[in-house]
Amino acid sequence: QVQLQESGPGLVKPSETLSLTCALSGYSISSACYWGWIRQPPGKGLEWIGSIFHSGSTYYNPSLKSRVTISIDTSKNQFSLKLTSVTAADTAVYYCASPLGIDWYFDLWGRGTLVTVSS
Amino acid sequence: QSVLTQPPSVSAAPGQKVTISCSGSNSNIGNNYVSWYQQLPGTAPKLLIYDNNKRPSGIPDRFSGSKSGTSATLGITGLQTGDEADYYCGTWDSSLSAVVFGGGTKLTVL
Repeated sequence: QVQLQESGPGLVKPSETLSLTCALSGYSISSACYWGWIRQPPGKGLEWIGSIFHSGSTYYNPSLKSRVTISIDTSKNQFSLKLTSVTAADTAVYYCASPLGIDWYFDLWGRGTLVTVSS
Repeated sequence: QSVLTQPPSVSAAPGQKVTISCSGSNSNIGNNYVSWYQQLPGTAPKLLIYDNNKRPSGIPDRFSGSKSGTSATLGITGLQTGDEADYYCGTWDSSLSAVVFGGGTKLTVL
């Protein structure tokens, strides 16, 4: 069974860096797929953060591009998100997701992890 | 302000049919495939429709998708109380070089 599982701190201080990891099980992250991050502020809609191709090519939301880095670790079968200079507006449930292919929809989702930005 | 426009809410009675619209532009819906997601309370979104009108394995044929020009529609027939959820459309925007989503539509089954 293919699964994604997010992990990382649930609380981050303003101006610091949010770091999350998404572990993939039951599938190789080296497969020709996009691996993505999507977030959802409490009570609000979905926002795509960015995606990384298995080769390492990245695509970022222009509104977040200056603060976002997505990387892939094939040895650990996981990919990661770093978001710098966070503010309260970055408080959200963060999902990792993938189409398990080269498409711009998301068929496989993690359960999500709530990250709160607060001092 | 979302790039794709959805009605905030729709409602219908059990057993009835409902449609949810998603309006965009030539840079997104007009020239790219549309997907639809169902998000039950407290859970991750679930893919319902991809490539405008295709259903992933396990999605019942009560759910359908269509696209015309710069708008897309999700249809749900034989409404059940378990269909109460938030529904989102999504697509690639060629001008933004980004995945964009609609603001979401809350479905109430009366």
